[in-house]
Amino acid sequence: AQSVTQPDIHITVSEGASLELRCNYSYGATPYLFWYVQSPGQGLQLLLKYFSGDTLVQGIKGFEAEFKRSQSSFNLRKPSVHWSDAAEYFCAVGSPSSGSARQLTFGSGTQLTVLP
Amino acid sequence: SQTIHQWPATLVQPVGSPLSLECTVEGTSNPNLYWYRQAAGRGLQLLFYSIGIDQISSEVPQNLSASRPQDRQFILSSKKLLLSDSGFYLCASLVRGRAGEQFFGPGTRLTVL
Repeated sequence: AQSVTQPDIHITVSEGASLELRCNYSYGATPYLFWYVQSPGQGLQLLLKYFSGDTLVQGIKGFEAEFKRSQSSFNLRKPSVHWSDAAEYFCAVGSPSSGSARQLTFGSGTQLTVLP
Repeated sequence: SQTIHQWPATLVQPVGSPLSLECTVEGTSNPNLYWYRQAAGRGLQLLFYSIGIDQISSEVPQNLSASRPQDRQFILSSKKLLLSDSGFYLCASLVRGRAGEQFFGPGTRLTVL
């Protein structure tokens, strides 16, 4: 069974500082990988995704993530954080072979606080 | 592009009362649909998914049920709510041809008192 670990429950950074949110997954082959962001009281918005090809993927709002097969990781990065980036971030993994169900498994999330 | 509507947006219900949450999807046809629950300070728990009308799969045994009476309508129900049913309920739709990507609705905040 696939699983996702986000080791950091809460991260605090200053505005303008760089950011890296960690995500490790467990899956037998190369999975589909996603990062979603959730503002308080809102649904989830897709930031970026990886399913094949270039291991460095660019997303919306200046975010990027790098797939590292050897480390089973898909860490999210941003070079300069803005106050509006304060939110909860979820990493998710999907299986290319999950048949018609196409389920995603989500990590427990990382809450990002941005200091002025 | 897809749009997902969920209602109500917020709901406060007493323990033991029934529940009906509705999700409707626009901009796609024959979507896979999903119900998730997000308890306070926790991640997303998949409750049900559906690959078509009247085809429901349950992921977690509980006092909730789901139905899909129409292609783009997904309903979450309960006959008697428990305190532990409180949470944020999210409906999602699979984006066809996008490698498993799911599109989420705005959610319903349920408080059981």
